[in-house]
Amino acid sequence: DGGITQSPKYLFRKEGQNVTLSCEQNLNHDAMYWYRQDPGQGLRLIYYSQIVNDFQKGDIAEGYSVSREKKESFPLTVTSAQKNPTAFYLCASRLTGGHYGYTFGSGTRLTVV
Amino acid sequence: GENVEQHPSTLSVQEGDSAVIKCTYSDSASNYFPWYKQELGKGPQLIIDIRSNVGEKKDQRIAVTLNKTAKHFSLHITETQPEDSAVYFCAARSDKLIFGTGTRLQVFP
Repeated sequence: DGGITQSPKYLFRKEGQNVTLSCEQNLNHDAMYWYRQDPGQGLRLIYYSQIVNDFQKGDIAEGYSVSREKKESFPLTVTSAQKNPTAFYLCASRLTGGHYGYTFGSGTRLTVV
Repeated sequence: GENVEQHPSTLSVQEGDSAVIKCTYSDSASNYFPWYKQELGKGPQLIIDIRSNVGEKKDQRIAVTLNKTAKHFSLHITETQPEDSAVYFCAARSDKLIFGTGTRLQVFP
C-alpha cells in the first residue's frame, strides 16, 4: 500500500543537539511539506519542496533545515538554533498540477529534555 | 498575510445531533478548500474538499458549503456519532495551503 511514513514516532533530544526527522513517501508525489503543530495554533508551515533538489521556506523556517535529494524523501533537521523545538511535527505530500489534497504522515513528537 | 479563521475552537454535541464548523479566509485568490480530521496522536486525514467553482458538496453525513463572495466555507456533520469525535481543520489554498486553528468536536453518547 502506498503511503507516507514518518519516523520515529517519539523523539527525545537534549538541548543544544541537532536532530533529524525522517519522512518517506511511496505515492510518487511531487511536493512534500513539513508542518509544526502546537496546541491551539493549528498547523504552521516550516519548509516545502515542489521538486527534487529545490525547497522553499515556509512561515516558521528559522532553526530548521531540509534537503530533497530524492523524490521519495524529505528529512527535516531541527537545529540547536530552534528556540522552542518541543512540538508535534507532521510531514505531508501531494501531486502537483491540480487541486489535490495533502496526504499526511502520522507525525513525530519531539521533546527537548 | 493570508489567514484562515476557524470557529468554534471547541464544540460539544449529543449523539445524533448536527455539528457545524465555520471558516473564513482572507485571500480572494483561494480556489481549493479541504477539510481534515485529526484523531489523537495521528496525522490529519482528508475527509472532504470543495473547489471554488462549486457551492456545495456532500458525502454521506458530511457536507461542505462555500460562499466565495463572503469568503466563508463551512463543514456540516449530520447524525453525529461518538467516532466523529476528533479535531477538525479547515484550509484554503491559492499558492499554498493555509490551515485554520482547528475545532475539537466531542460527541457524547
